[in-house]
Amino acid sequence: GAVVSQHPSWVICKSGTSVKIECRSLDFQATTMFWYRQFPKQSLMLMATSNEGSKATYEQGVEKDKFLINHASLTLSTLTVTSAHPEDSSFYICSALGDRGQDTQYFGPGTRLTVL
Amino acid sequence: DAKTTQPTSMDCAEGRAANLPCNHSTISGNEYVYWYRQIHSQGPQYIIHGLKNNETNEMASLIITEDRKSSTLILPHATLRDTAVYYCIASNFGNEKLTFGTGTRLTIIP
Repeated sequence: GAVVSQHPSWVICKSGTSVKIECRSLDFQATTMFWYRQFPKQSLMLMATSNEGSKATYEQGVEKDKFLINHASLTLSTLTVTSAHPEDSSFYICSALGDRGQDTQYFGPGTRLTVL
Repeated sequence: DAKTTQPTSMDCAEGRAANLPCNHSTISGNEYVYWYRQIHSQGPQYIIHGLKNNETNEMASLIITEDRKSSTLILPHATLRDTAVYYCIASNFGNEKLTFGTGTRLTIIP
């Protein structure tokens, strides 16, 4: 149980385009989902927290108009990187907090974004 | 989240127990100790968590000192697949926000 998937697992796009990443909780309902970013040889950094049906809360320094988050259902959250630039190239990882006890975050496998 | 301190790297022989220490001297009374690991180019994997009692599951054991200022994650019989970066995180129940430090890079040696 407690499986989180992400799609796509990797994506390459041209500078200026937008990319959407999906995060799904497969076997549980996730009232809260989180988006992290990890640059090479660095640790994970929280970007934003999203709750189903409400606006996401962004960490300081993360542009909400650039990283659009939609938590439309209890099993799906999406992160859209708008007008992507090479500096947005990174490993994007989501996690989900389940509705059973809500004491543990389970992480997706990550999406590697490369912007050319 | 309280700050945690871990050794940068450790080696362990395959088949032996791997003991990973973590200091969290400023942990508050309602903060749990969570352990995750990240294998290269994958998302973090939940291992175990605890508040003050020792915990054991199919993956590992967690030993928390009585004063809760430090803990040790024990992988009882390390295999090559346990090579990863291990993160110790102190966070409130429900861990609404996980703050990842640099973790310990554990290398299992054949």
